[in-house]
Amino acid sequence: QQQVKQSPQSLIVQKGGISIINCAYENTAFDYFPWYQQFPGKGPALLIAIRPDVSEKKEGRFTISFNKSAKQFSLHIMDSQPGDSATYFCAASSPSNTGKLIFGQGTTLQVKP
Amino acid sequence: GAGVSQSPSNKVTEKGKDVELRCDPISGHTALYWYRQSLGQGLEFLIYFQGNSAPDKSGLPSDRFSAERTGGSVSTLTIQRTQQEDSAVYLCASSQGGLAGVGEQFFGPGTRLTVL
Repeated sequence: QQQVKQSPQSLIVQKGGISIINCAYENTAFDYFPWYQQFPGKGPALLIAIRPDVSEKKEGRFTISFNKSAKQFSLHIMDSQPGDSATYFCAASSPSNTGKLIFGQGTTLQVKP
Repeated sequence: GAGVSQSPSNKVTEKGKDVELRCDPISGHTALYWYRQSLGQGLEFLIYFQGNSAPDKSGLPSDRFSAERTGGSVSTLTIQRTQQEDSAVYLCASSQGGLAGVGEQFFGPGTRLTVL
């Protein structure tokens, strides 16, 4: 019940295209859903996050779509750029779990010029 | 400092040796987390400290793993009698803590541990 499932494992997109990464969770106690971006040799960095009281959040080229009934959320990267090439992790947490993050398995994104 | 710092950045040790990994959280952050990142298991929660409360050790994989946080700031993760399966990147994160700050964690660059 603590799992967060992420897909796809890897993704190749042309520059200017849309990158879409999907996650699904089981624990309905989760109430915070962040996406982290990680470059090789670096720690993960918070990209964008959403709480379940809204269905969509947009920050620049990055959008989270959230479907509470389906227990799914996704990251959309519009106008993908080569600099977006990185590994992306979705995660979930809840106050009752001390805020510890349960991560998806990660998606390696390659944006081709 | 501006962010979470960890030392050493790389550690190579022999099987059976003990290792200590250090984390300096962002100043003023009361919550501190340790995670492990490995190829087979992804990113896994290990332990959580919040102020003076008892730590949440529910993610520690065995009793060879322990951690402490001195003075509510610096934390040390200790692995005793290291095994090859302990090879991973150990990540530390901190947050402001409390309900308002839950989930907004800032990660350090990690310590890459290799057990030969």
